[in-house]
Amino acid sequence: DSGVTQTPKHLITATGQRVTLRCSPRSGDLSVYWYQQSLDQGLQFLIQYYNGEERAKGNILERFSAQQFPDLHSELNLSSLELGDSALYFCASSGTTGAGNTIYFGEGSWLTVV
Amino acid sequence: AQSVTQPDIHITVSEGASLELRCNYSYGATPYLFWYVQSPGQGLQLLLKYFSGDTLVQGIKGFEAEFKRSQSSFNLRKPSVHWSDAAEYFCAVVSEGTGRRALTFGSGTRLQVQP
Repeated sequence: DSGVTQTPKHLITATGQRVTLRCSPRSGDLSVYWYQQSLDQGLQFLIQYYNGEERAKGNILERFSAQQFPDLHSELNLSSLELGDSALYFCASSGTTGAGNTIYFGEGSWLTVV
Repeated sequence: AQSVTQPDIHITVSEGASLELRCNYSYGATPYLFWYVQSPGQGLQLLLKYFSGDTLVQGIKGFEAEFKRSQSSFNLRKPSVHWSDAAEYFCAVVSEGTGRRALTFGSGTRLQVQP
């Protein structure tokens, strides 16, 4: 158990809909990351937050957004969903932004768009 | 830009045999390198990491990896594979000095273990 908690574990929704994925980082971790894992794109970094502020953006679509709340949990919002958004979405956390710290991953949220 | 290449998409070994998974990175400065394992339906678990110092690093589950700067490689090894090692293995590199610590992953190597 990494200590990173993601909900829901599985989600099926229709095209055009909007979903929210939730992440609770490890206790004390200030940095949260979101990744998308799909068969064709592999593991892609989406976005990083540190102590409530956006720190870095990766290959995140404009239809997607995220935020980190004062209690440090994070949410990834996916809107106008398309079939191609079906993927496993990982949340990860680390203590600081220093490269020497390990990034711990949750078990992911499986999103299926039908 | 940093990148990671895992040349082998799929590897099959017999139980008890030795294992080496290849990883090559492209990064100008000193890289921070990681190996993660993903079992079916599971999240990513850290096996080991290299930041500096001894180029041979030990990890969990009997895995080790060797950092070779001259070859830009960070290959993962295990002397004797167990059936429970069947999983997908990802090599990753992280940037430094910018405050951004997003991991860049390779495409993964799927390990199959034969009885």
